[in-house]
Amino acid sequence: EAEVAQSPRYKITEKSQAVAFWCDPISGHATLYWYRQILGQGPELLVQFQDESVVDDSQLPKDRFSAERLKGVDSTLKIQPAELGDSAMYLCASSRPGLAGDAGELFFGEGSRLTVL
Amino acid sequence: AQSVTQLDSHVSVSEGTPVLLRCNYSSSYSPSLFWYVQHPNKGLQLLLKYTSAATLVKGINGFEAEFKKSETSFHLTKPSAHMSDAAEYFCVVSDLLKGGFKTIFGAGTRLFVKA
Repeated sequence: EAEVAQSPRYKITEKSQAVAFWCDPISGHATLYWYRQILGQGPELLVQFQDESVVDDSQLPKDRFSAERLKGVDSTLKIQPAELGDSAMYLCASSRPGLAGDAGELFFGEGSRLTVL
Repeated sequence: AQSVTQLDSHVSVSEGTPVLLRCNYSSSYSPSLFWYVQHPNKGLQLLLKYTSAATLVKGINGFEAEFKKSETSFHLTKPSAHMSDAAEYFCVVSDLLKGGFKTIFGAGTRLFVKA
């Protein structure tokens, strides 16, 4: 069964350091999402790609966060410098439209848990 | 503007009794609506999906949800709770906007099931 792959599963870093997360979506899924989930809250959309293009990054803190999906397949989310408040689970998801052209189901990876000390 | 409100942050039921998790949404267009479940230390899993077909949607593990456009609601129900249903539940709305579908999550409802 196809899955969304994410790495690393866990990352501990000190504040002001750089961090990077990688995501490989399900093959054929044109839409890729990065969400941040703080403990006890719902996932918050950081950035959404359609193929290699960003379609929504309105909630991405662009002074320290960046995301790319150069060939429209896998994606990298970077934080530099990391701050204490960045401690969270970073979730990657992918989707394709439903058969009737509606929004398809999001398939999630297991997430990357970041702890900033 | 697009938004999702889950009306209860916590719901506690006894095993074998009905479950009701409430969700209201705001959407500019004709949205797709979903419920996802997240068990502790597990990934997010789709429970069910509404996409403008039947307004009563059946999902996995005995859950179902009813889309009520007049009330802008999409409440999740189950006739009889099981201990394994204890988890976090998220209501999700997805709208077709310029550039593609935008999908946002509610804050979540934690379901506790008492023996």
